[in-house]
Amino acid sequence: GAVVSQHPSWVICKSGTSVKIECRSLDFQATTMFWYRQFPKQSLMLMATSNEGSKATYEQGVEKDKFLINHASLTLSTLTVTSAHPEDSSFYICSARSQGDYQPQHFGDGTRLSIL
Amino acid sequence: EDKVVQSPLSLVVHEGDTVTLNCSYEVTNFRSLLWYKQEKKAPTFLFMLTSSGIEKKSGRLSSILDKKELFSILNITATQTGDSAIYLCAVEAMTDKLIFGTGTRLQVFP
Repeated sequence: GAVVSQHPSWVICKSGTSVKIECRSLDFQATTMFWYRQFPKQSLMLMATSNEGSKATYEQGVEKDKFLINHASLTLSTLTVTSAHPEDSSFYICSARSQGDYQPQHFGDGTRLSIL
Repeated sequence: EDKVVQSPLSLVVHEGDTVTLNCSYEVTNFRSLLWYKQEKKAPTFLFMLTSSGIEKKSGRLSSILDKKELFSILNITATQTGDSAIYLCAVEAMTDKLIFGTGTRLQVFP
């Protein structure tokens, strides 16, 4: 149980294009989803938290106009990297948790984004 | 500032050895402490600890939390090559936010 699917797993695109990443909870309802970024040999850094039907809450230093997050249903959240540039190249990971105080976050397999 | 510190950063052992991974934290409004295993892709959930002194166990892995001293340990007995991974400790605050440590890289050789 508690499977989170993230798609695509790998994206290569030209500078200036926008890239959408999907995160789905397959066997549970995710009232809250999280988006992280991970640089090589570093730990996960939270970018934003989204609750179903609400606007996302972004961490300090994360541009909300650059990283658009939508959480329109209890099983799907999307992250769109707009006008991507080489410095946006990174490993992006989503997680999802169901309602309740003591529910762990379950992670997707991540998306490796490479901007040329 | 909230922080989670893991030690050692790296560990190399032989199959059959027992290892102990450490995690200390300073987090405002603590809710729970979680351990994850990260291999090539994203982290997989191992344990969630909320109360002091109660050991969580799953096969050869076990973990315990000390909320007074603000630390947790993860034990792996009779290690196998498949245990090689980065083990992440994360503390969840009441805000739902997870604060991760930098991880311990464990390498198990035959």
